Amino acid sequence: QKEVEQNSGPLSVPEGAIASLNCTYSDRGSQSFFWYRQYSGKSPELIMSIYSNGDKEDGRFTAQLNKASQYVSLLIRDSQPSDSATYLCAVSEGSQGNLIFGKGTKLSVKP
Amino acid sequence: KAGVTQTPRYLIKTRGQQVTLSCSPISGHRSVSWYQQTPGQGLQFLFEYFSETQRNKGNFPGRFSGRQFSNSRSEMNVSTLELGDSALYLCASSLEPGGTDTQYFGPGTRLTVL
Repeated sequence: QKEVEQNSGPLSVPEGAIASLNCTYSDRGSQSFFWYRQYSGKSPELIMSIYSNGDKEDGRFTAQLNKASQYVSLLIRDSQPSDSATYLCAVSEGSQGNLIFGKGTKLSVKP
Repeated sequence: KAGVTQTPRYLIKTRGQQVTLSCSPISGHRSVSWYQQTPGQGLQFLFEYFSETQRNKGNFPGRFSGRQFSNSRSEMNVSTLELGDSALYLCASSLEPGGTDTQYFGPGTRLTVL
């Protein structure tokens, strides 16, 4: 059973701090990695995609991928209360390609 | 460009009934994936359609089925509803199939089975 693991949280950080969200996956054949944000009662929206080892930055968000360790992370700099949401890690399944989602980490940013 | 649309947004059914949910992808997107989201299990993959063909299927019973039309719109059907089918059903569209291309989600259909 191929799995994507995330700490369920809640992860609580003060406004302005860096939030660090982590994800591990079991399928060594995975090639594509995504972070989605889901507000309560809403559908997931894409934050970032990453395909190769290293860091990828987009505004306040940085995704980090380490395929050897089967680990992907998301850093949110200067966290805002509006960042409070559940963050879903999604990994492409190696052989068939469909996405496997983690159960998400709930982030709470306190003013 | 209009986003992914799903109808209906809310649905209440009783055990044993069947239900059909509809998804219209972003214009130009040919791949549609369906997911079931519950508090306990999270987002689970149901199936993916591309060019009117089911490309792959998740680990769900045969009561769950789907299809895709020539205009890329997709429907999923659940027959003989069970209480455990109560969930948020999400569809996502992408340009290309598989997990390499970004998937964009619709607002979902909230199904309640009584």
